Amino acid sequence: KQEVTQIPAALSVPEGENLVLNCSFTDSAIYNLQWFRQDPGKGLTSLLLIQSSQREQTSGRLNASLDKSSGRSTLYIAASQPGDSATYLCAVNNFNKFYFGSGTKLNVKP
Amino acid sequence: DVKVTQSSRYLVKRTGEKVFLECVQDMDHENMFWYRQDPGLGLRLIYFSYDVKMKEKGDIPEGYSVSREKKERFSLILESASTNQTSMYLCASRRPLAGGETQYFGPGTRLLVL
Repeated sequence: KQEVTQIPAALSVPEGENLVLNCSFTDSAIYNLQWFRQDPGKGLTSLLLIQSSQREQTSGRLNASLDKSSGRSTLYIAASQPGDSATYLCAVNNFNKFYFGSGTKLNVKP
Repeated sequence: DVKVTQSSRYLVKRTGEKVFLECVQDMDHENMFWYRQDPGLGLRLIYFSYDVKMKEKGDIPEGYSVSREKKERFSLILESASTNQTSMYLCASRRPLAGGETQYFGPGTRLLVL
C-alpha cells in the first residue's frame, strides 16, 4: 500500500524567505502527484499537479518537482508571505486512489 | 468555477444515531470521493464512486455506506454513529481524464459524536 510522508511537520519562517517542503512516497507507480493548500477549518485547494511523465510544474511563486524513481517531490515557495501560512499537503494518484501525506503546517511571520 | 458543496459545516450527533452527510458538485464530474481527516493521520479515503450507482470501498469503509443515485450528489451514511467517527469529513469530485485531473474539494463537515 502506498505511504506518503511529509517533512517537516511544521515550519516557521520570516517573511521573504525561500523555502522547500518535502514529500516522499513508497510506490513509484503513480499517475500523478498533486500539492494542495488547506486553510484552518477549510477544504483543500489544488496548487499544482505534476503528471508522472513530467519533472516539474510552476505557478507564480510556486515550483513543484517530481522524481518518480526515487519517490520524492518538493514544493518550492519563493519570497514567502504571511498569506502563505497554511497547511500544505501532497497526494499521489495510484489508479484512481489518492494517498495523502499528513501535511506541513507553514507559518510565515511578518 | 467548480463548486463542491457539503450540506453542513458542523454537526453534533449522539452515539447510535444514523447520520447523513451530503455532497453536491455542479460540474458534471463522474468521480466523487469521501475522505475523513484526522490529526496526524492525514486524509484517508472512505469510499469513492466512478459514476452514478457505482461505488468502491476505500481504505477505511467500516461503519460507513454511500449512495450515488444522481451524478451530482454523493451521500455518506453512518449507519450507527460512534465516538471514533468524530472527524472532519471532506468530499471531492473530478473528471477522470487520462493521466488524471485535479480533485476539487468541498469545505468539509466537522462531525462530533457524543
